[in-house]
Amino acid sequence: DGGITQSPKYLFRKEGQNVTLSCEQNLNHDAMYWYRQDPGQGLRLIYYSQIVNDFQKGDIAEGYSVSREKKESFPLTVTSAQKNPTAFYLCASSMADIYLNTEAFFGQGTRLTVV
Amino acid sequence: KQEVTQIPAALSVPEGENLVLNCSFTDSAIYNLQWFRQDPGKGLTSLLLIQSSQREQTSGRLNASLDKSSGRSTLYIAASQPGDSATYLCAVSGGSQGNLIFGKGTKLSVKP
Repeated sequence: DGGITQSPKYLFRKEGQNVTLSCEQNLNHDAMYWYRQDPGQGLRLIYYSQIVNDFQKGDIAEGYSVSREKKESFPLTVTSAQKNPTAFYLCASSMADIYLNTEAFFGQGTRLTVV
Repeated sequence: KQEVTQIPAALSVPEGENLVLNCSFTDSAIYNLQWFRQDPGKGLTSLLLIQSSQREQTSGRLNASLDKSSGRSTLYIAASQPGDSATYLCAVSGGSQGNLIFGKGTKLSVKP
């Protein structure tokens, strides 16, 4: 069953703590993305990766870090430097070449709450 | 900078009605436009992808149109059902990053 799996579904973070959100895909897609969704706002891009071992900052990368060691995996770490991390985080993937006009697919999201 | 606007922000209709959701974007240099559905607390489900060279796409009761020159897209839902209740998001792909830029969505409620 092909798709994108995000885990955990819910995550709680204490002040000053780093947490890592998992994103795995078995669609054989080259490109992967992390978006943040806040109430009343559209999705905003945090990081993206077009190929293994390479990634680029999106519009709101401060306080976040990523790695892309495997094609299937694109974990996102929310560091203590992110002052307002409470949000819904969505991972997506697509074929890498933007000129191919390929479809983006999303995972089911991780809701992160600071406690 | 590309901006995507969706109007209305919320819409409530009786079951069986045909309806149109609107999406506009400021930069016509897009590669494609995608419509998504999001249920509360869930991820996004892709509904339709329209490539920049296309005018429309259809899937079941859904029809999406694209007019690049005017920076507009519409999502037409025929014979709406309560199960269609969700937030509908429009996103365009373009620019150097190639990532999707989203509108804030239209929250649809279909009353039985």
